[in-house]
Amino acid sequence: GQNIDQPTEMTATEGAIVQINCTYQTSGFNGLFWYQQHAGEAPTFLSYNVLDGLEEKGRFSSFLSRSKGYSYLLLKELQMKDSASYLCASMDSNYQLIWGAGTKLIIKP
Amino acid sequence: IAGITQAPTSQILAAGRRMTLRCTQDMRHNAMYWYRQDLGLGLRLIHYSNTAGTTGKGEVPDGYSVSRANTDDFPLTLASAVPSQTSVYFCASSEVAGVSNEQFFGPGTRLTVL
Repeated sequence: GQNIDQPTEMTATEGAIVQINCTYQTSGFNGLFWYQQHAGEAPTFLSYNVLDGLEEKGRFSSFLSRSKGYSYLLLKELQMKDSASYLCASMDSNYQLIWGAGTKLIIKP
Repeated sequence: IAGITQAPTSQILAAGRRMTLRCTQDMRHNAMYWYRQDLGLGLRLIHYSNTAGTTGKGEVPDGYSVSRANTDDFPLTLASAVPSQTSVYFCASSEVAGVSNEQFFGPGTRLTVL
């Protein structure tokens, strides 16, 4: 079956660094997406990885290991506005996104 | 204003009633999608359309139907609503189907079926 696992909730301190992990198992693989979703709002795109390695985009970086079925999202210099849910999604062989349940990130001052 | 709009924002519906959720995009995207989001679960694909005039079933299509008469509009219809269809519904679009494009999401419709 297809499965995406990520922690339900994480807490971090303003100004710190946090890593949100995601493991995936899908029928075929056409890339790994990360989305941010603030409470009561729509998901918005953060990053896309299809090759192994680290992609850096400002304060956010995303890593992929295809052999391990593993990705992480790294958030640096945390700000209060980063409090949100972070959704991991794998694109399967039919180019459909299979979504994890999301990780709720709580930032404390 | 570029993007995706959904209507209504929220709705309370009696079980057994018919309901159509509207979705319109002005980005000229070929592919459109309907998802439902339930607490503790990931987004689940209901139906999709790779291009105007075509539709396909997603992971949870039962009880829902869609049409894609033109590029911009992708309505989702619940023929006879049931309480298990209480959820937040998101419409999304991407430039093309069949490649790894990011999807853009509408603001969502919160539906409660009593």
